[in-house]
Amino acid sequence: DSGVTQTPKHLITATGQRVTLRCSPRSGDLSVYWYQQSLDQGLQFLIQYYNGEERAKGNILERFSAQQFPDLHSELNLSSLELGDSALYFCASTKGQGENSPLHFGNGTRLTVT
Amino acid sequence: GIQVEQSPPDLILQEGANSTLRCNFSDSVNNLQWFHQNPWGQLINLFYIPSGTKQNGRLSATTVATERYSLLYISSSQTTDSGVYFCAVRLYTGGFKTIFGAGTRLFVKA
Repeated sequence: DSGVTQTPKHLITATGQRVTLRCSPRSGDLSVYWYQQSLDQGLQFLIQYYNGEERAKGNILERFSAQQFPDLHSELNLSSLELGDSALYFCASTKGQGENSPLHFGNGTRLTVT
Repeated sequence: GIQVEQSPPDLILQEGANSTLRCNFSDSVNNLQWFHQNPWGQLINLFYIPSGTKQNGRLSATTVATERYSLLYISSSQTTDSGVYFCAVRLYTGGFKTIFGAGTRLFVKA
């Protein structure tokens, strides 16, 4: 168990809808990262938050947004969903901003858009 | 941007065999991790290894940062080793980003 908690585990929704994925980092970790893994593809970095502030941005679509709350949990909001958004979404956390500490991943949320 | 290349892309082993997976990266990095993604999709942290050599049971890893590569050794492979092995590098590009390689898909036959 990595200590990173993601909910829900599975999500099935229709095109055009909006969903929210939730992540609680490991105790003591201040940074949260979001990754997307599409079918048979690698992990694409979406965004990082450190202690409530956005720190780094990757290939995140404008239809997607995220935030980190004062209790350090994070939410990833996906809107106007398309079939191609079906993927496994991972959250990870590190102690600091990540320069010298390992990433620990949650078990992911599997999103299916029909 | 940085390129992270893993080889081989696919590997089939007979149970009990040994193997070496390679990760090459094109630029200096702050740190490097190896992950195993099991058939259920979980990402397991194997090694955090910016440089040097580490061992954990049947697995060991070596990173030579000056030559920009890392190796993951699997000895006496078991069917439970099947899955995808990812190398991930961390570097600063206007923020610390972790970039993953495409992975090595391993299947261990009983």
